[in-house]
Amino acid sequence: ELKVEQNPLFLSMQEGKNYTIYCNYSTTSDRLYWYRQDPGKSLESLFVLLSNGAVKQEGRLMASLDTKARLSTLHITAAVHDLSATYFCAVDPPGGGADGLTFGKGTHLIIQP
Amino acid sequence: SAVISQKPSRDICQRGTSLTIQCQVDSQVTMMFWYRQQPGQSLTLIATANQGSEATYESGFVIDKFPISRPNLTFSTLTVSNMSPEDSSIYLCSVVSFAGMNTEAFFGQGTRLTVV
Repeated sequence: ELKVEQNPLFLSMQEGKNYTIYCNYSTTSDRLYWYRQDPGKSLESLFVLLSNGAVKQEGRLMASLDTKARLSTLHITAAVHDLSATYFCAVDPPGGGADGLTFGKGTHLIIQP
Repeated sequence: SAVISQKPSRDICQRGTSLTIQCQVDSQVTMMFWYRQQPGQSLTLIATANQGSEATYESGFVIDKFPISRPNLTFSTLTVSNMSPEDSSIYLCSVVSFAGMNTEAFFGQGTRLTVV
């Protein structure tokens, strides 16, 4: 059974600081997703990571994937208040997208001015 | 990418009643899924909606409680039957757009259900 562990589950930080969210998963995966969810909203896709060593960046967010360690990170650089949200990682098990995603529990991020 | 329209966006329902949620996609997709997000929790896969055959349910979810239809490659419905307050959640439709290296999962805007 595929398990996805995300930490921390809750993070309060100040604007301008850097921090990293970690996502560990228990079995091999075809792809790993990072999503953002604002309160009362659906999921916004941030990154899709496919291969070992993949690194993607968008603005102040950077995601990386180490398939050997079964670890992905979401790094926040010089955080701003607008990045306050809940961030989920989700893993697509081997099967080419046919089996649905397994989600981590999410990281509730609060960035204080 | 795929654009997903989910209706209703929210509803307040009496216990014991049923609600049907619709999911319409702007293109034909092979894989459609339904997820539940209980308050303050992560997303849990309910079932895979299979076109032309019965849905495939995950452990803990049964067809009598969550019947699913998938009449074609662009549309699916999820019914939450005989509702109780424990069914209060956000229900999300998701599709996978297969495009080789650009294969990606997309989500509808969700249906926020409150059972009173």
